[in-house]
Amino acid sequence: TQLLEQSPQFLSIQEGENLTVYCNSSSVFSSLQWYRQEPGEGPVLLVTVVTGGEVKKLKRLTFQFGDARKDSSLHITAAQPGDTGLYLCAGGSSGSARQLTFGSGTQLTVLP
Amino acid sequence: NAGVTQTPKFQVLKTGQSMTLQCAQDMNHNSMYWYRQDPGMGLRLIYYSASEGTTDKGEVPNGYNVSRLNKREFSLRLESAAPSQTSVYFCASSWPQVGAVGSFYTFGSGTRLTVV
Repeated sequence: TQLLEQSPQFLSIQEGENLTVYCNSSSVFSSLQWYRQEPGEGPVLLVTVVTGGEVKKLKRLTFQFGDARKDSSLHITAAQPGDTGLYLCAGGSSGSARQLTFGSGTQLTVLP
Repeated sequence: NAGVTQTPKFQVLKTGQSMTLQCAQDMNHNSMYWYRQDPGMGLRLIYYSASEGTTDKGEVPNGYNVSRLNKREFSLRLESAAPSQTSVYFCASSWPQVGAVGSFYTFGSGTRLTVV
């Protein structure tokens, strides 16, 4: 069974601070996705990374896939209250009919 | 708006009752899924349908059945609800085909189910 561990589980910061959340596994994934989920809604895809070492930027968010494709990180610069939400990572295995393996999430709260 | 539509949004059941959760997507996606989300446990796959006419078990299928009615619709049935099935249920669809690297997933807004 492939497992994804996210840390920290909870994070509360002030507006303007920087933060990094982590997604780690002992398994290799063919792709890694990050989602953000707001209360009462389903997860929304932010980014997909597929190459070891790949870095993608989405405005103030920077996503990195580990060289060995076992881990990933999400860095947010100058966090804003609108960044508040549950951040989920999900690993995909090429050819796996069982699809994505989700981490348990990081609940981020950005205080004004 | 295009996307995944789930009904109902909220439901309370008594132990032993049955119900069907409905899901429809209008993006012409081939693959559809049912997940449950419990606190601290992320999303766990219940069943999926790689394409119209096929369904397969996911990680936690016990107590559930599914029907892929057509390309658009994928329903989840609880035959005899139990308190352990209290959860938030999400339907999703994806493109391209299941198992493709970097499949793009779209989720519905969820059904909050309480079994008492």
